[in-house]
Amino acid sequence: LAKTTQPISMDSYEGQEVNITCSHNNIATNDYITWYQQFPSQGPRFIIQGYKTKVTNEVASLFIPADRKSSTLSLPRVSLSDTAVYYCLVGASSRDTGRRALTFGSGTRLQVQP
Amino acid sequence: DAGVTQSPTHLIKTRGQQVTLRCSPKSGHDTVSWYQQALGQGPQFIFQYYEEEERQRGNFPDRFSGHQFPNYSSELNVNALLLGDSALYLCASSFAGADGANVLTFGAGSRLTVL
Repeated sequence: LAKTTQPISMDSYEGQEVNITCSHNNIATNDYITWYQQFPSQGPRFIIQGYKTKVTNEVASLFIPADRKSSTLSLPRVSLSDTAVYYCLVGASSRDTGRRALTFGSGTRLQVQP
Repeated sequence: DAGVTQSPTHLIKTRGQQVTLRCSPKSGHDTVSWYQQALGQGPQFIFQYYEEEERQRGNFPDRFSGHQFPNYSSELNVNALLLGDSALYLCASSFAGADGANVLTFGAGSRLTVL
């Protein structure tokens, strides 16, 4: 299973852009990179997913360099409600016969202050 | 469109007892995965069910077992409960035939306290 490494915690202020980087040196060719957000006592929630280059949706951007050994989740203009734990996961396509289960690391605890 | 629903939301058991947790996947999903999340830790993968069979299993003892029904819903059973089994148990569903990677939709979890 591809192992991921993220910072344990980050602090920011409202209105700032936050970038969280995840290392996944042994990512496989078929692996996608997915980020989840989790609030206390709730299940994780899907944020964004990508395979290479850059992906953007209404809440975040995901930057993946050519070697795919790392990825960066970018949250523009964070607010207090973005205070949560963010997990980076690496996993194979759901169509793969191996269908390897997604493994969570310890995540990055983001604290947004006023 | 209902998301993933889990029951019960909270329960208290004593050591040695058995517990059954239930999960109904999101409409259109056919795969169910179970995770255990201790306080302050990331979710730990227990097992995954697809087509009513256990397809993958994490590093959990045989005391943890499960089942998937023809309607894709699932149960997690834990026998001989230990204090260390106290955790938030998360059910996640996904669609095996989706393009791209496995995207999980999580329920709110079942909080188990073992006394």
